[in-house]
Amino acid sequence: DAGVTQSPTHLIKTRGQHVTLRCSPISGHKSVSWYQQVLGQGPQFIFQYYEKEERGRGNFPDRFSARQFPNYSSELNVNALLLGDSALYLCASSLVAGLGKNIQYFGAGTRLSVL
Amino acid sequence: ELKVEQNPLFLSMQEGKNYTIYCNYSTTSDRLYWYRQDPGKSLESLFVLLSNGAVKQEGRLMASLDTKARLSTLHITAAVHDLSATYFCAVDGIMNYGGSQGNLIFGKGTKLSVKP
Repeated sequence: DAGVTQSPTHLIKTRGQHVTLRCSPISGHKSVSWYQQVLGQGPQFIFQYYEKEERGRGNFPDRFSARQFPNYSSELNVNALLLGDSALYLCASSLVAGLGKNIQYFGAGTRLSVL
Repeated sequence: ELKVEQNPLFLSMQEGKNYTIYCNYSTTSDRLYWYRQDPGKSLESLFVLLSNGAVKQEGRLMASLDTKARLSTLHITAAVHDLSATYFCAVDGIMNYGGSQGNLIFGKGTKLSVKP
């Protein structure tokens, strides 16, 4: 079975540009979360989507937005890129089945470099 | 503000030695997760600890959880080079829809280097 897939794997942009990152969850998983991992730090939560609705948002500016599609894939959009947006962007999916352990499975990430 | 603190942040070990990584957290969460990350790679789930006193073991790694002390430990027994990686602990952030795990708060990670 395919795991969480993200595209592209690497991306180079310049300040002020816009970027779209894509994520396909594990088949059957309905929840997708996005994280930003700056070099040397732990991942920071950006968004969670479940059944196409935003269920949680981290402490990120409005330049960051996301959406989830009917097939549960997701896009993360970042506008007006800043140098500080350079990071590894991780997507994670989980099978929502009520209370209990719902492990998040992470994709390989998209490494974004802003010059 | 929810905080997750790991120590040490860097750990250089010799093969065959034992060591413990500590994870303190400020939330009242009773669930804690350990992940492994190899350089340039994504996160691999190692352990999910669901209640006070939970202990999980896999090979040379053993994780435990004390929710009263808000402390989890990851113990490494007889380290081998293949264990070299960065280890993260994480707790649930806000309560998510349906109790799902969707918002994790991570520590800064412990970079482990095992030398022959």
